[in-house]
Amino acid sequence: QKEVEQNSGPLSVPEGAIASLNCTYSDRGSQSFFWYRQYSGKSPELIMFIYSNGDKEDGRFTAQLNKASQYVSLLIRDSQPSDSATYLCAVSTLGRLYFGRGTQLTVWP
Amino acid sequence: DAGVIQSPRHEVTEMGQEVTLRCKPISGHDYLFWYRQTMMRGLELLIYFNNNVPIDDSGMPEDRFSAKMPNASFSTLKIQPSEPRDSAVYFCASSLGGVETQYFGPGTRLLVL
Repeated sequence: QKEVEQNSGPLSVPEGAIASLNCTYSDRGSQSFFWYRQYSGKSPELIMFIYSNGDKEDGRFTAQLNKASQYVSLLIRDSQPSDSATYLCAVSTLGRLYFGRGTQLTVWP
Repeated sequence: DAGVIQSPRHEVTEMGQEVTLRCKPISGHDYLFWYRQTMMRGLELLIYFNNNVPIDDSGMPEDRFSAKMPNASFSTLKIQPSEPRDSAVYFCASSLGGVETQYFGPGTRLLVL
């Protein structure tokens, strides 16, 4: 069983702060890593992907990957109330995606 | 462009009834995925197709579940007979060229009484 672990939260941060979301995975052979955002009652939406060790930045979002530690993170800078959602980490292994249970983020004004 | 289309959006049925969920992938996408999401188990892959051929159905819970993809623009997920524990949100997703960048439909909320 390929496992993707996330803290379920809830993670609560004030508006303007940095939100840090973490994910670990069990299979060292995993190649690609994804972050999906899911608003309450809506479907998952892809917001970031990362393939190589290091950081990848896209606007206020930064994905970080450390394959040696089997660790992926998502940083959200200048958090906004509209960022309040559940963030799902997904890992591509042997031809399929495995999803974590998600971390619920609340950004309060 | 239209995204992934699912129908119905909501379904309420009684235990023992047959339920059919439908999905139209994004035009041109060659992969189609069926997922189930519950609070207890999170998002689980049930089955996925590549070029209309089932590739991995290891997530299909039991023989009561079946999925078909008769052509590139249509897929169904059928539950017969349905049970209360099948109550969940069922998502269809599609992608182009691989399993990685998946686009999800709005989901079907199924309640089995």
